[in-house]
Amino acid sequence: EPEVTQTPSHQVTQMGQEVILRCVPISNHLYFYWYRQILGQKVEFLVSFYNNEISEKSEIFDDQFSVERPDGSNFTLKIRSTKLEDSAMYFCASTLQATEAFFGQGTRLTVV
Amino acid sequence: KQEVTQIPAALSVPEGENLVLNCSFTDSAIYNLQWFRQDPGKGLTSLLLIQSSQREQTSGRLNASLDKSSGRSTLYIAASQPGDSATYLCAVYSSNTGKLIFGQGTTLQVKP
Repeated sequence: EPEVTQTPSHQVTQMGQEVILRCVPISNHLYFYWYRQILGQKVEFLVSFYNNEISEKSEIFDDQFSVERPDGSNFTLKIRSTKLEDSAMYFCASTLQATEAFFGQGTRLTVV
Repeated sequence: KQEVTQIPAALSVPEGENLVLNCSFTDSAIYNLQWFRQDPGKGLTSLLLIQSSQREQTSGRLNASLDKSSGRSTLYIAASQPGDSATYLCAVYSSNTGKLIFGQGTTLQVKP
């Protein structure tokens, strides 16, 4: 069964460092997303990506964040200068259209 | 602005009981509603997807209903088992935005 895969599963980084979270969405899907979940809180939307450009982004997704689909398979989230409050579980998701969303297992980012 | 609420926040039942989890949303302009399961520290597993034109969906012991006009969905779990213990998340895909909006989840504990 097709699945969304994310790497790494856990990333520890020092405050101010850049991190790149990687995702391989389901191959025939068209829409790609990043969500995050701070411990004990709701899953919250960060950004959606379609046709090689950002289609929507939340207030959280400021200039420190960027997304890229560098080739036909990978979808990455970059945080340029991490802050303590960026510590969270980051989920990648993909959908074909406005249909069932499939999520990866997440990357736990810990900023120290 | 779409808001999704789930009640109760936590539920503890003995094994074998049938139970209902509730989800409500404020904007009825949705494409679909999706129920997910999340185990502690893990990713989101899709359980059921209900399109806006549908009233219910079933998968095994799970049945989800949707009343779009009243902004409500329920997830019915029949004959609960300890393995059902997890957090159950409801998310709506709004027509006005290209993203899923999540509720805060119901944490279920099924005692043997």
